Amino acid sequence: EVQVVESGGGLVQPGGSLRLSCAASGFSFSSYWMSWVRQAPGKGLEWVASVKQDGSEKYYVDSVKGRFTISRDNAKNSLYLQMNSLRAEDTAVYYCASPKYYDSRGYYFDYWGQGTLVTVSS
Amino acid sequence: DIQMTQSPSSLSASVGDRVTITCRASQSISSYLNWYQQKPGKAPKVLIYGASSLQSGVPSRFSGSGSGTDFTLTITSLQPEDFATYYCQQSYSSPRAFGQGTKVEIK
Repeated sequence: EVQVVESGGGLVQPGGSLRLSCAASGFSFSSYWMSWVRQAPGKGLEWVASVKQDGSEKYYVDSVKGRFTISRDNAKNSLYLQMNSLRAEDTAVYYCASPKYYDSRGYYFDYWGQGTLVTVSS
Repeated sequence: DIQMTQSPSSLSASVGDRVTITCRASQSISSYLNWYQQKPGKAPKVLIYGASSLQSGVPSRFSGSGSGTDFTLTITSLQPEDFATYYCQQSYSSPRAFGQGTKVEIK
């Protein structure tokens, strides 16, 4: 059975830092790109960052470039998101998700966690 | 960046109704369009990928069509469990943006 479990969310002050973790099991983690997707309260979905299977390629949405760092540890089947210089607009539920490629370009988010809430407020 | 626009933002429908949701891309994305369903407090679930391919396990009352810039998600006979929010997402180029969502409510 596939399981994706996020942790590390919480309340942090503006300008602070937080590290999110995602533990995956039940699928070949090291064979998948992995991503973070967030959803602000009452709002839509926003892709945040993705990392290649071996960690050699990383991509970010413009609004988090230079502040967030995505990484992975394939030996531990784990994905991370280091978030620095946090802003109120980063408040959201953060989901760990695995993109499944169906051709050389197209993919959809297949496995999702339950999400972890990050609240940035003083 | 490619922008995705869904319409309507919300709709009210009855069980058994045919429902159509539209998604428009700001430039051509070929057929690289996915549809997700999200229920309150839950993670999204993919329904359709590649514009028209039905994900395994998804009921056949869901279908997708379109290519280029205009896409449609159709639910042929709305069921009680279909009341949810639906999102489109392009997977043509980064950032792989989502639409703003369409909330399907009970009439």
